[in-house]
Amino acid sequence: EAGVAQSPRYKIIEKRQSVAFWCNPISGHATLYWYQQILGQGPKLLIQFQNNGVVDDSQLPKDRFSAERLKGVDSTLKIQPAKLEDSAVYLCASSFPPGNEQYFGPGTRLTVT
Amino acid sequence: GQQLNQSPQSMFIQEGEDVSMNCTSSSIFNTWLWYKQEPGEGPVLLIALYKAGELTSNGRLTAQFGITRKDSFLNISASIPSDVGIYFCAGPNTGNQFYFGTGTSLTVIP
Repeated sequence: EAGVAQSPRYKIIEKRQSVAFWCNPISGHATLYWYQQILGQGPKLLIQFQNNGVVDDSQLPKDRFSAERLKGVDSTLKIQPAKLEDSAVYLCASSFPPGNEQYFGPGTRLTVT
Repeated sequence: GQQLNQSPQSMFIQEGEDVSMNCTSSSIFNTWLWYKQEPGEGPVLLIALYKAGELTSNGRLTAQFGITRKDSFLNISASIPSDVGIYFCAGPNTGNQFYFGTGTSLTVIP
């Protein structure tokens, strides 16, 4: 069974530029999560989708971050404009309801200069 | 906001020793999950716990769901060098919001 796929693996941008990350969850997993992991910390949930609907986006900085999952499969997370403090690893995970066992992709390491 | 506190923050142990770490929350959790993360990789699920008092093993790993539902424990027996990594607890609280702990960094000295 293929795991969660993410691209790109690394991205370097200047502040005020925009960036997008892509995630393809495990086949059949209806729930998809985006996390931000700052160096030395645990992952922080940004947004949770159930199929193509948003379940929780309470910690998403909506003035600059957006995410979509239009067909209920793959998802895109966008940052526009980026700030220095957005430098982090962005992790995507998926799970098969009703359980909470999430399976993670390798992440995208973003560096904002 | 919600905080899952893990202790110890870091551990340096000799190969073959047993390891214990814990995770505490200020609120009740419905599920406890334990993950291991290695450099450059996403977290990998080790053990999932669903009921208060539950004790579950996965090879040399054993985890317990605390009776109060506000804590969980992970033990690793007979540690080996490949156990090196950061261990995170995680789970949804009663509001179904998902949180990760602060992490315990494990170093195993051969």
